[in-house]
Amino acid sequence: DAKTTQPNSMESNEEEPVHLPCNHSTISGTDYIHWYRQLPSQGPEYVIHGLTSNVNNRMASLAIAEDRKSSTLILHRATLRDAAVYYCILREYSGGGADGLTFGKGTHLIIQP
Amino acid sequence: GAGVSQSPSNKVTEKGKDVELRCDPISGHTALYWYRQSLGQGLEFLIYFQGNSAPDKSGLPSDRFSAERTGGSVSTLTIQRTQQEDSAVYLCASSLEGSGAQPQHFGDGTRLSIL
Repeated sequence: DAKTTQPNSMESNEEEPVHLPCNHSTISGTDYIHWYRQLPSQGPEYVIHGLTSNVNNRMASLAIAEDRKSSTLILHRATLRDAAVYYCILREYSGGGADGLTFGKGTHLIIQP
Repeated sequence: GAGVSQSPSNKVTEKGKDVELRCDPISGHTALYWYRQSLGQGLEFLIYFQGNSAPDKSGLPSDRFSAERTGGSVSTLTIQRTQQEDSAVYLCASSLEGSGAQPQHFGDGTRLSIL
């Protein structure tokens, strides 16, 4: 899978929007952009994923750049429960699951009350 | 609906013993994955099942590790002759099918401690 680059950490205030960036300049046309998060002492949790168009779900929004070389995960109103490590991962459509997900270092999101 | 279920949630055992970890995926999910996460480390992919078959077992850390999946549902990860370096959280995930278009849903893991 192609490589992603994320900031090591970000800090935000409770009840404010959070924009988590991810660069993936070597993305291929068949790579899906996935976001997961891991809260302390828990397994990873799926957040959102997309291919080309922006996506919204109950947890977050995913904004994908027109050239697909970057994306932004948007938490519209952060709560203390959103404090976690957020991972941006590319997954090739045709590659199947044979290689699993590759988790990098992610972005450690700190939420201040 | 029910998520991915793993058991036991915690396991403490003595070095040299065998352990068996169980994963019950989301109903209807054909793809199943095992990962492990050592303390303070990232997730390490171990093995993937599509249905009952595992196309690639090269991610398993040693020949003491084996995994099987029967009936296209429940999977077990077995570690023989456990060593202290096997201590980790073992995570299972499932997805509708194995392509990159499908998200993976994780269980809460089994925390394995080898004394």
